[in-house]
Amino acid sequence: AQSVTQPDIHITVSEGASLELRCNYSYGATPYLFWYVQSPGQGLQLLLKYFSGDTLVQGIKGFEAEFKRSQSSFNLRKPSVHWSDAAEYFCAVGPYGGSQGNLIFGKGTKLSVKP
Amino acid sequence: DAGVIQSPRHEVTEMGQEVTLRCKPISGHNSLFWYRQTMMRGLELLIYFNNNVPIDDSGMPEDRFSAKMPNASFSTLKIQPSEPRDSAVYFCASRRGTSGPTDTQYFGPGTRLTVL
Repeated sequence: AQSVTQPDIHITVSEGASLELRCNYSYGATPYLFWYVQSPGQGLQLLLKYFSGDTLVQGIKGFEAEFKRSQSSFNLRKPSVHWSDAAEYFCAVGPYGGSQGNLIFGKGTKLSVKP
Repeated sequence: DAGVIQSPRHEVTEMGQEVTLRCKPISGHNSLFWYRQTMMRGLELLIYFNNNVPIDDSGMPEDRFSAKMPNASFSTLKIQPSEPRDSAVYFCASRRGTSGPTDTQYFGPGTRLTVL
C-alpha cells in the first residue's frame, strides 16, 4: 500500500541553525514527491516538488529537498532557519503517470524555532 | 487571483444538525479536492472532481457525507446528520489540470468544524 512516513512529529531548532525534515515513502513505482508547509490557521502551500531529473530540488523560501531512490526518502533541508519558518510541514506522494492525481500526505512535522 | 475561498472559516454546531461547507476554486482550475485534517488521521482526501464530475469518493467516510459541484466555480460538502467525531478542519483545494498530479494543488484556508 502507498504510504508516507514522517518520523518526527515535532522538531525544535535554533534560529540560524540548519534544518532537515525526514520523509520516507512506500510506493510501487517512481512517485511524484511534494513538500507543503502549513502556517497556523492557514491552508497548505507548496514548497517544492520532484517529478524527474535532478534529484536535488530547489523550492521557495530557501528550502531544498533531495530524492534518494535507494532509501525511499525525500528529506527537506534548509541551511539557516528563520523564525518565520515555524510551521507544520507535510510530505506527500502522488501517482506517477496516473490520471487521477490524488496525493497521499504524511502526518506532518511541526517545526518550532528558538530565538 | 483571490485563491481558493472557503466559507465559513469556523462552524460550531450541535450533534444531529446539518452542516454545509462551501468552496470556490481558483478561476480556470478544473480539478477540485476536499480534504479532512484531524490530529489522529492527518490529512485525508475525501473526494475530488474533474470538470465538475466526481472521480473518486472512496475517502468519504459514510453516507452522512455528500459533496456536489454544480458548476466550475462552486462546490459544497454536506454532513447530515453531523456527529462529534466529524470535528476537524476541512480543506478545499483546486488544480488547473485534470490529468496527473504534476499541477500544483492550491489549498484554501480551511473550515474548522466543531460538532458538540
